[in-house]
Amino acid sequence: DVKVTQSSRYLVKRTGEKVFLECVQDMDHENMFWYRQDPGLGLRLIYFSYDVKMKEKGDIPEGYSVSREKKERFSLILESASTNQTSMYLCASSFSRGTGNQPQHFGDGTRLSIL
Amino acid sequence: RKEVEQDPGPFNVPEGATVAFNCTYSNSASQSFFWYRQDCRKEPKLLMSVYSSGNEDGRFTAQLNRASQYISLLIRDSKLSDSATYLCVVNMVLRGGADGLTFGKGTHLIIQP
Repeated sequence: DVKVTQSSRYLVKRTGEKVFLECVQDMDHENMFWYRQDPGLGLRLIYFSYDVKMKEKGDIPEGYSVSREKKERFSLILESASTNQTSMYLCASSFSRGTGNQPQHFGDGTRLSIL
Repeated sequence: RKEVEQDPGPFNVPEGATVAFNCTYSNSASQSFFWYRQDCRKEPKLLMSVYSSGNEDGRFTAQLNRASQYISLLIRDSKLSDSATYLCVVNMVLRGGADGLTFGKGTHLIIQP
């Protein structure tokens, strides 16, 4: 079974803090993704990476950055946390087979509260 | 037009009934389609892929209509444990040619005893 592990299930931070969310997958997947999910808005793509050291902006990258130094690990960074970044953060990974027919597998999610 | 549209529900259905919901997608070039299930406060989990000829997995049947650009999910003999939000998902090509997915906002299903 695919295993995607996020470092924390629940996290509380203060406004202005730098926040790191870690994600590790054990299936040698090329692609990794960070989403946030908010009520009524569904899943929104923040950043993704299709290879080590490669990163691309998703739909809502403002206020975030990412790091992919190793294939299995994809980190999301909130440079200066703000209250509007309170959300459920989901990491996902998938194979890149060139056919487009690759589902994504999600971690358990991190519920982040910014006070 | 939204890329993937679903009726948010909720659909309230008695246990044992058959329930069906659809979703529509806007990109006619889409090639891959999936249904995910998401329980309250949990992560989305892949329920099934959707193939052009339609496919079945136990009580679940998925259909694809490319001409009309919609996907359906049918659940027969519904169980209380089927209560969840069902996400319709369509592939998209991201920057750099990476495989990405577009998620619908989900249809909320409640199975009542």
